[in-house]
Amino acid sequence: SAVISQKPSRDICQRGTSLTIQCQVDSQVTMMFWYRQQPGQSLTLIATANQGSEATYESGFVIDKFPISRPNLTFSTLTVSNMSPEDSSIYLCSVNRDGIQYFGAGTRLSVL
Amino acid sequence: GQQVMQIPQYQHVQEGEDFTTYCNSSTTLSNIQWYKQRPGGHPVFLIQLVKSGEVKKQKRLTFQFGEAKKNSSLHITATQTTDVGTYFCAGGDYKLSFGAGTTVTVRA
Repeated sequence: SAVISQKPSRDICQRGTSLTIQCQVDSQVTMMFWYRQQPGQSLTLIATANQGSEATYESGFVIDKFPISRPNLTFSTLTVSNMSPEDSSIYLCSVNRDGIQYFGAGTRLSVL
Repeated sequence: GQQVMQIPQYQHVQEGEDFTTYCNSSTTLSNIQWYKQRPGGHPVFLIQLVKSGEVKKQKRLTFQFGEAKKNSSLHITATQTTDVGTYFCAGGDYKLSFGAGTTVTVRA
């Protein structure tokens, strides 16, 4: 299994500000994934974070809006920049271990 | 990329009844995974199916992978209040594509 610690667990932010979400894994992984889950919706992959290289973003997501850091094999951050109410979602960090996807508890973001 | 469709979106079940949720892919899947997300929680892995026609059981839950590896189903028997939540199927290798989910509510 994998133990993933994610923080903050929730936040309420003003539009135009930025929030950085942290994700810590209990052991080294090559890839870390960031998902978004809008209210009542399914999970959408934002990007894949690889240590030592730029993150790979999925269609509809750009680095300027969602910059990602991956300084080592157990840690990653996702920043939601210049937030608007449309960014209100749950953001989930995830890793794949032995073919199974494990998720952090998520960050519940509300943008006013 | 892969598209995974899931139906129904909502399932309202009388306690003790059975129900099934279905998952279909536009392409052949190398494997399919099922997750459960309780209200206010995060997705938790339930099972992975890899082989064509595979059937796996977890107590009252039966998971099936189609012969063509393009569809899957989750069947729950004798539904209990603890079954409340959203069930997602997901296909793909390391980058999962999630279905829309089936949100289950149970009438006691």
